[in-house]
Amino acid sequence: AQSVAQPEDQVNVAEGNPLTVKCTYSVSGNPYLFWYVQYPNRGLQFLLKYITGDNLVKGSYGFEAEFNKSQTSFHLKKPSALVSDSALYFCAVRDMDSGYSTLTFGKGTMLLVSP
Amino acid sequence: EPEVTQTPSHQVTQMGQEVILRCVPISNHLYFYWYRQILGQKVEFLVSFYNNEISEKSEIFDDQFSVERPDGSNFTLKIRSTKLEDSAMYFCASSVPGQGNEQFFGPGTRLTVL
Repeated sequence: AQSVAQPEDQVNVAEGNPLTVKCTYSVSGNPYLFWYVQYPNRGLQFLLKYITGDNLVKGSYGFEAEFNKSQTSFHLKKPSALVSDSALYFCAVRDMDSGYSTLTFGKGTMLLVSP
Repeated sequence: EPEVTQTPSHQVTQMGQEVILRCVPISNHLYFYWYRQILGQKVEFLVSFYNNEISEKSEIFDDQFSVERPDGSNFTLKIRSTKLEDSAMYFCASSVPGQGNEQFFGPGTRLTVL
């Protein structure tokens, strides 16, 4: 079975400050990891993914995430937050070795960036 | 940029009625998915569809649910006899083949069962 934990319901950060949204995962095989963002009344938008290779992956809108196998984490980061980054962020995992394409999502973390 | 579309954006129905939610996946995608998100909860996988058949389904996807690709563009989710607990946001997604490829999500259909 695969699972994702996002330990924070909400993250508050001031505009211009760095932000981190935490994610840890559990899979029996090797993971594919994804971050999605959801704006109000909108669907999920893909931000970035880790498949293999470099542990630091860069994605849309200046976001990046670092894969840490020993800590089974895939935290989302941005060096300088914008008010427009305020949204709901979901981490998701897929077991590379399962042969299935199912995504398992975390419960989401609300990011609030204050001016 | 191509995107997944879903209709209607909001569906209100009475308990016991049948509903059909519609999706138009991105045209060159071959894998199709339905997920749901009950208000305030996480996004949950329902079913995946490839090569005109279901490839995976979750425990949520019971006999009340069915999926179909009636033509070359639409992908539908039918709930035969809706229950109150079916009220949720339903998201359609599509992807190209390959486990490492990201899924692209539609804007969702909000289903309200009264």
